[in-house]
Amino acid sequence: EIVLTQSPGTLSLSPGERATLSCRASQSVISSYLAWYQQKPGQAPRLVIYAASSRATGIPDRFSGSGSGTDFTLTISRLEPEDFAVYYCHQYGSSPKTFGQGTKVEI
Amino acid sequence: QVQLVQSGAEVKKPGSSVKVSCTASGGTFTGYTLTWVRQAPGQGLEWMGRIIPIFGTTNYAQKFQGRVTITADKSTGTAYLELSSLKSEDTAVYYCARAPYPSTKDLSDWGQGTLVTVSS
Repeated sequence: EIVLTQSPGTLSLSPGERATLSCRASQSVISSYLAWYQQKPGQAPRLVIYAASSRATGIPDRFSGSGSGTDFTLTISRLEPEDFAVYYCHQYGSSPKTFGQGTKVEI
Repeated sequence: QVQLVQSGAEVKKPGSSVKVSCTASGGTFTGYTLTWVRQAPGQGLEWMGRIIPIFGTTNYAQKFQGRVTITADKSTGTAYLELSSLKSEDTAVYYCARAPYPSTKDLSDWGQGTLVTVSS
């Protein structure tokens, strides 16, 4: 099973600042099948990035994903108030699929 | 816009089973996989398993092997998660989510979640 480790656990930033979230895998993620999800309290997760760097439908271009192999990054170039949430990485190239433990982006 | 609509909240006794449904309103599961993810109170997301409805093939997380069954009724566009031998640690919100198949895209549509409470 591939273990995903996210860092930092919490990121305290202000609107307008840049957020950089990391996801490290215990083994290489097949075909860069790595996604990022945003979750707000009381809501279902929302797909932000898939295949490491492709933005999902309706996601603004301030969100970008990069990486391959075992190291992946989600960058939010300028934080908007609605971006404060918990972000999870998810590898879906190998079974069982697995999630990271999450990074909370807080004001 | 296809929505995934899940069945309502459940309260179960330890040792019993629960079956949660997920229906694709306005669409079907043809051309998609259907995954179940759970989230215990205050915790992160946990992948439980998935089904490819056109083939009926399933994959489950090792942690749930022997206790979980995922099925799909193609005619009604409804998928089911059944979890047996419930313990208090199974108290969580259970989500279904859909991904195009075959595709590089991941879980793009999610249900609203179903709270399952296990308590004596």
